[in-house]
Amino acid sequence: DQQVKQNSPSLSVQEGRISILNCDYTNSMFDYFLWYKKYPAEGPTFLISISSIKDKNEDGRFTVFLNKSAKHLSLHIVPSQPGDSAVYFCAVISSGSARQLTFGSGTQLTVLP
Amino acid sequence: DAGVTQSPTHLIKTRGQHVTLRCSPISGHKSVSWYQQVLGQGPQFIFQYYEKEERGRGNFPDRFSARQFPNYSSELNVNALLLGDSALYLCASSQGQGKGNEQFFGPGTRLTVL
Repeated sequence: DQQVKQNSPSLSVQEGRISILNCDYTNSMFDYFLWYKKYPAEGPTFLISISSIKDKNEDGRFTVFLNKSAKHLSLHIVPSQPGDSAVYFCAVISSGSARQLTFGSGTQLTVLP
Repeated sequence: DAGVTQSPTHLIKTRGQHVTLRCSPISGHKSVSWYQQVLGQGPQFIFQYYEKEERGRGNFPDRFSARQFPNYSSELNVNALLLGDSALYLCASSQGQGKGNEQFFGPGTRLTVL
């Protein structure tokens, strides 16, 4: 039973436009949320995180939104750049665990020049 | 500064064999976690070690074991390999155990079981 779902396996966006990646979770015990980016032949790289006490966190071109009532997380990338092309994973941590990350299945983002 | 390193990069084994994967954390990091990533899926948590003690275990059979050494490096052992163990094995390190401690991932070890 998947606790973290990324329903879009792939997304293509034109350079300069906004990329919106979505993630849904089922467990209300999750209280810390993260986005990772993964290039081929590399490990995942941390992008941005948000705790359950917030509904938005910004870092440069990246903004994460958290809707707790809908159990929905999204990552906005503005403006999108070709170097952003990668697999994006959302990950969650439950309030009962130390640092165990539960990942979604990932979304392949392709930014077209 | 060196990031998280893992060895070997690639490995081919046959069913029934055992394998040992190694991980060196970032200098100063005391926590190491292991994840399995099967093709088309996100990484799945296997173990977490902090200060040489197991602090978390995912839903994996007892064929999977791990340990952390005094220098904070870690080994993941898998016995009686099955075809389904073919995956990318990722190691991640962090300074501490709390949620604010970012996990840094290594490039992974690609294990193929024939």
